[in-house]
Amino acid sequence: GAVVSQHPSRVICKSGTSVKIECRSLDFQATTMFWYRQFPKQSLMLMATSNEGSKATYEQGVEKDKFLINHASLTLSTLTVTSAHPEDSSFYICSAIPVTSGTYEQYFGPGTRLTVT
Amino acid sequence: AQKVTQAQTEISVVEKEDVTLDCVYETRDTTYYLFWYKQPPSGELVFLIRRNSFDEQNEISGRYSWNFQKSTSSFNFTITASQVVDSAVYFCALSGIKEGNTPLVFGKGTRLSVIA
Repeated sequence: GAVVSQHPSRVICKSGTSVKIECRSLDFQATTMFWYRQFPKQSLMLMATSNEGSKATYEQGVEKDKFLINHASLTLSTLTVTSAHPEDSSFYICSAIPVTSGTYEQYFGPGTRLTVT
Repeated sequence: AQKVTQAQTEISVVEKEDVTLDCVYETRDTTYYLFWYKQPPSGELVFLIRRNSFDEQNEISGRYSWNFQKSTSSFNFTITASQVVDSAVYFCALSGIKEGNTPLVFGKGTRLSVIA
């Protein structure tokens, strides 16, 4: 149990286009999902906290108008990178906390590798 | 603010050697969780352990063991008799224990190479 999927696993897009990444909790409901970003050979950094039914909370330095987050249901959060540029190329990982978790266990998706050419 | 320091950027060992990965953390929270994750080249994070700050008992799981020292704010990870398959980047992470949002703060990771 407690599986989180991400789609797509890899995406290559041209500079200036937008890309949508989906994060789904397959066998549980999650009111909170987190989006992390990992540049090559670097650590994971929290980008934003996605809460179902409300606006996402962005970390300092993350442009909310560029990284649009929608958490429209208890099993799906989407991250849209708008007008992508080569510097947005990164590994994007989501995680989700089950609604029923009394210990706030966090489950990670497998990640999405974005390459902007 | 919370912070996790993994001072070892890269470690290289010969197969069957023991290796310890260091992790030092900073937090003002009195209760928190500590984690270790393995990240193989595929990129997917593999959960290894979660430790509650209340529990300072060391833990052993097969060839893996963890030493939690609250007095020195350290949570070190030892791999005994290392194998080539242990080659990966290992991340130590910290989160608070609060109702609701508890994102993880990750260290910079230690890249372990086990040579046959």
